[in-house]
Amino acid sequence: GQQVMQIPQYQHVQEGEDFTTYCNSSTTLSNIQWYKQRPGGHPVFLIQLVKSGEVKKQKRLTFQFGEAKKNSSLHITATQTTDVGTYFCALEYGNKLVFGAGTILRVKS
Amino acid sequence: DSGVTQTPKHLITATGQRVTLRCSPRSGDLSVYWYQQSLDQGLQFLIQYYNGEERAKGNILERFSAQQFPDLHSELNLSSLELGDSALYFCASSVGLREISYNEQFFGPGTRLTVL
Repeated sequence: GQQVMQIPQYQHVQEGEDFTTYCNSSTTLSNIQWYKQRPGGHPVFLIQLVKSGEVKKQKRLTFQFGEAKKNSSLHITATQTTDVGTYFCALEYGNKLVFGAGTILRVKS
Repeated sequence: DSGVTQTPKHLITATGQRVTLRCSPRSGDLSVYWYQQSLDQGLQFLIQYYNGEERAKGNILERFSAQQFPDLHSELNLSSLELGDSALYFCASSVGLREISYNEQFFGPGTRLTVL
């Protein structure tokens, strides 16, 4: 079956430090989505990447899609306490959306 | 607020019972998705409906069933409940065009099910 690996599982950073989560697939992807879930909340769509090598930015967030379209990353510059939550990648496999296990981000102020 | 509503917010029931979770998608969205989120299994796709018809099936148990009605709201029925069914159940909706992964999904607030 489809293998989706998301690392790290958990990261605790000092406010102002950078944060990166990685998503790796065992197969070539057509596209990948990223979602954020705040503690006690529901997943919220952040972005979709489609093109090989694509880089998209949303303020302090930078999303990358690998050249081989088998991996992706989400990088947050200078984390803030509002960034806490779980970040999920999501990809399609057999007409189903498969979510990574998520990376839990905690920010110390 | 995503525009997706789910009821009830919390549900506590006993093993062996049957419950129905309800979801109303965003206005204009034709697709509804159901997910189960538990601590050990993460976010698991259960099933998708598009304009009243089943479109994709995930890890949905035979004890679970769903349907989408003509007004596009959806219900997830869980029967013969077991302790392990305790989880957060999310509904999401999207416009529903193209393949599943090209659709931005809008999640509802979820229903927390506790089976005692």
